[in-house]
Amino acid sequence: NAGVTQTPKFQVLKTGQSMTLQCAQDMNHNSMYWYRQDPGMGLRLIYYSASEGTTDKGEVPNGYNVSRLNKREFSLRLESAAPSQTSVYFCASSEAHRTTYEQYFGPGTRLTVT
Amino acid sequence: GDSVTQMEGPVTLSEEAFLTINCTYTATGYPSLFWYVQYPGEGLQLLLKATKADDKGSNKGFEATYRKETTSFHLEKGSVQVSDSAVYFCALSNNFGNEKLTFGTGTRLTIIP
Repeated sequence: NAGVTQTPKFQVLKTGQSMTLQCAQDMNHNSMYWYRQDPGMGLRLIYYSASEGTTDKGEVPNGYNVSRLNKREFSLRLESAAPSQTSVYFCASSEAHRTTYEQYFGPGTRLTVT
Repeated sequence: GDSVTQMEGPVTLSEEAFLTINCTYTATGYPSLFWYVQYPGEGLQLLLKATKADDKGSNKGFEATYRKETTSFHLEKGSVQVSDSAVYFCALSNNFGNEKLTFGTGTRLTIIP
């Protein structure tokens, strides 16, 4: 039981390049989330998927797109990377989209945009 | 809007010392409150939570009491260990249907033997 897995662990991009961050969970959870973590700012929600087939914007969605590929997988795409998107990205999942259910986090992807 | 304020870090303590990490919040209504912990190189894990005023959450020797009168949820542990070195995040959800977690900025704790 791997929990929440993310790939890649590290990535360096040049401004304007695109990439997709992958996330998968094996806990049969309905809800999945993408956060970014920046120094002095805590975690901020980018997008979430309350259930398979739905996605919604979070606090900081600009510059990102997401795809809930199936119940297990939730990807985050940067179409044209900018230095402001340098951050650590965390994927999380929970049994349902209610905060009374614990969110389980992946180990993170450290992205640097030069 | 909702917000969480944590004490600035980093915090460095000796093993077996008493730990307090302060957390205060601003929210409408009656939020649920959480402490998450992030060990080096890992994602966040839920440490404890409290869903109503005067509730005490506890886990792994850590405790926090939901104090509505002071809008606080301070994290405490009586005797810390080196293995407690991590970053600790206070968070809230406002229970008004959007089910969104609002996180504090995190407090880095280092325990020295």
